Amino acid sequence: EEQLVESGGGLVQPGGSLRLSCAASGFTFSINAMNWVRQAPGKGLEWISYISSSSATIYYADSVKGRVTISRDNAKDSLDLQMNSLRDEDTAVYYCVRGRDWYFDLWGRGTLVTVSS
Amino acid sequence: EVVLTQSPDFQSVTPKERVTITCRASQNIGSSLHWYQQKPDQSPKLLFKYASQSFSGVPSRFRGSGSGTEFTLTINSLEAEDAATYYCHQSYSFPWTFGQGTKVEIK
Repeated sequence: EEQLVESGGGLVQPGGSLRLSCAASGFTFSINAMNWVRQAPGKGLEWISYISSSSATIYYADSVKGRVTISRDNAKDSLDLQMNSLRDEDTAVYYCVRGRDWYFDLWGRGTLVTVSS
Repeated sequence: EVVLTQSPDFQSVTPKERVTITCRASQNIGSSLHWYQQKPDQSPKLLFKYASQSFSGVPSRFRGSGSGTEFTLTINSLEAEDAATYYCHQSYSFPWTFGQGTKVEIK
């Protein structure tokens, strides 16, 4: 079964850092682009970062640019999101999402990040 | 940035009724528009890619259409299990963006 499992969420103070991880299984991770999409409580979806299969191409949303870094390890079938200088507005469920031909065809269950003092 | 505007924001519908959700793009995005369904406490699921290509397992009562700046998701003969929030998403240009969502409630 194709699966994405996020981890690393939790409570962090404003200005703090957190590293999210996503473990992929059941498919060939190394040939797929990957993304992070977040959803603030009771709100809509927001795409925040894209990484190509080889890591050669990376994009970020303006809302997180300069504060987050996406990376992947194809040998370990894993995707990471390093988040720094966290703000209250970064509070959200963060989804690891597989990209296929520019659409999102497989989503993880998400990990909740809460930024609060 | 391509802005996607969905209408309506909310719709309360009786079973077997037809539901129509519109997604308007702020510029021509061709057919680079995808639809997702998110049920309460679940992750989103892909319904349609490239405006009208249904994803695996999507019931035939769902239909996606449109191109350019106006797109439509239609649910014919709504069923109770279709209660969800529906989102459109454009991959024409970065930053990729979503519509604000349309919540469909069953009366």
